[in-house]
Amino acid sequence: GENVEQHPSTLSVQEGDSAVIKCTYSDSASNYFPWYKQELGKRPQLIIDIRSNVGEKKDQRIAVTLNKTAKHFSLHITETQPEDSAVYFCAASYTGGFKTIFGAGTRLFVKA
Amino acid sequence: EAGVAQSPRYKIIEKRQSVAFWCNPISGHATLYWYQQILGQGPKLLIQFQNNGVVDDSQLPKDRFSAERLKGVDSTLKIQPAKLEDSAVYLCASSHGQGARETQYFGPGTRLLVL
Repeated sequence: GENVEQHPSTLSVQEGDSAVIKCTYSDSASNYFPWYKQELGKRPQLIIDIRSNVGEKKDQRIAVTLNKTAKHFSLHITETQPEDSAVYFCAASYTGGFKTIFGAGTRLFVKA
Repeated sequence: EAGVAQSPRYKIIEKRQSVAFWCNPISGHATLYWYQQILGQGPKLLIQFQNNGVVDDSQLPKDRFSAERLKGVDSTLKIQPAKLEDSAVYLCASSHGQGARETQYFGPGTRLLVL
């Protein structure tokens, strides 16, 4: 069935360093890949998304890349700050249906 | 613009009891989703409504879970009877349209603890 795998499950970086979170998906029909940030005890919020017709998208300190051939997509956060500490979820949606499949999440710690 | 509203925020029940959650989506959003988020995992879709019709309920444990959106606006999710493994955060989300590319806006969630 449809599956999204996310790595690593936990990531600890020093303030100012970069953080990279990687996801793979199983259904080659997927064409939309959102990323959500969930702070402790709060709701998931969309931070960036990418569609299959582009390979990269950037918004200030965050960027997402997509490799459709390998069925990989990644979130890159540069110049990390303590307020970036949260759980990040990748997701993929399937044109065969309307379901969005979420990865298991990456807990990011940014140490000051 | 007001966000997605959910109530209650917290609920503690004993196993075999019943519980109901309520969600009011963003005004004008046709699609409403209920997700189950177990601690340490990503949200798992339970059911998706388009207006008052069900689009997907393939992962809803129908022997104990039910959901409705009778007037195509707010929705209720019920568990009867609850099991220990139902302990989770139940997230409601809404989007303007139906397509999988639509941005989903999440509510604050209802944290359920089954003892």
